[in-house]
Amino acid sequence: GQNIDQPTEMTATEGAIVQINCTYQTSGFNGLFWYQQHAGEAPTFLSYNVLDGLEEKGRFSSFLSRSKGYSYLLLKELQMKDSASYLCAVLDSNYQLIWGAGTKLIIKP
Amino acid sequence: GAVVSQHPSWVICKSGTSVKIECRSLDFQATTMFWYRQFPKQSLMLMATSNEGSKATYEQGVEKDKFLINHASLTLSTLTVTSAHPEDSSFYICSARDGAGGPEGNEQFFGPGTRLTVL
Repeated sequence: GQNIDQPTEMTATEGAIVQINCTYQTSGFNGLFWYQQHAGEAPTFLSYNVLDGLEEKGRFSSFLSRSKGYSYLLLKELQMKDSASYLCAVLDSNYQLIWGAGTKLIIKP
Repeated sequence: GAVVSQHPSWVICKSGTSVKIECRSLDFQATTMFWYRQFPKQSLMLMATSNEGSKATYEQGVEKDKFLINHASLTLSTLTVTSAHPEDSSFYICSARDGAGGPEGNEQFFGPGTRLTVL
């Protein structure tokens, strides 16, 4: 079966750095997405990785290792507005998005 | 980035009535649209995938006679919840993909969601 694992909840301090991990087992791989979702709102796109390595975009970076079935989202200089759920999703061989359950990130002052 | 709109943003209806939700891609042609449902504190659940001009593909456990999907044009898909009941109350989100191919064509652009409450 297809499976995406990410921690249910994480807590971090304003101004700090946090890494949210995602491991996956899917039938085929055509890329991995990270989305941010605030409570009561639709997801918004953060990053897309299809090749191994680190992609940096401002305070957010995303890393992928296809051989390990592993990705992480790195958030630097955390702000209170970063409190949200972060969803990992993999595009499988049928170009279907397989979603993780999401990681709720709580930022404390 | 590409913009997807949904209408209405929220709707309250009586049990037994039908509700139609529209999803539009505003600045691109969406060859594929997706309908998701999300219950409180749970992840997105894909309900169905629709391609313009063809019948939608429903996920296991989703009643196609209850959740009618029409993708009549490259910019519009509709989801009709027929004979809605309180257990259908949820956050319904659509997304669209332009299918241009390559990494850029794989991204799904999400609408803002529709909160349905059935009394």
